[in-house]
Amino acid sequence: DIQMTQSPSSVSASVGDRVSITCRASQGIDNWLAWYQQRPGKAPKLLIYAASNLHSGVPSRFSGSGSGTDFTLTISSLQPEDFATYYCQQVNRFPRTFGQGTKVEIK
Amino acid sequence: EVQLVESGGGLVKPGESLRLSCAASGFTFSRYAMNWVRQAPGKGLEWVSSISSSSNYIYYADSMKGRFTVSRDNAENSLFLQMNSLRAEDTAVYYCVRADGYNSFDSLDFWGQGTLVTVSS
Repeated sequence: DIQMTQSPSSVSASVGDRVSITCRASQGIDNWLAWYQQRPGKAPKLLIYAASNLHSGVPSRFSGSGSGTDFTLTISSLQPEDFATYYCQQVNRFPRTFGQGTKVEIK
Repeated sequence: EVQLVESGGGLVKPGESLRLSCAASGFTFSRYAMNWVRQAPGKGLEWVSSISSSSNYIYYADSMKGRFTVSRDNAENSLFLQMNSLRAEDTAVYYCVRADGYNSFDSLDFWGQGTLVTVSS
């Protein structure tokens, strides 16, 4: 199975800050990677697919990069509604696997 | 508008069975692969199972193989998850999720609100 490792597990930041989250796959997955946002008590939402493509309706302050084994999700200017937990997922092979999540908290 | 509505969750005892359902609307259900993803209380997301649009390809997470069975009824726009021999560690919110192989590289683009399964004696 492909293991997905996110870092950091949590990050404290202020509104307006730039935040980056990394995700590492245990083997190469080309660009078959998605990022999701989950606000407390809500279902997750797709942010980015194919490593760097913004899903419909997602603000442009979100961006994704990477290929192979190393990926990054960046929020260019943190907004109050962005305080949430973020997950990466590889969709290259079955079983699909998620990272353990990164919680973005208010400083 | 895409809608996925799960039902069938509840409280069961260890070793018992439960069948979850997901009613889909707002899109051509028969064209899309569907997934189940679960989340234990206070924990991260765990992929459970995937079924292709015509049910030809079915996959499970290792810990669910042999206990869980996914199925779908394209005529009724419905997805199901039959869960047998339930364990305390199966306690979670179970999400019904669409996978978009046309535009989003098989990413999970629409999620239901989830149904809670609690396994406890």
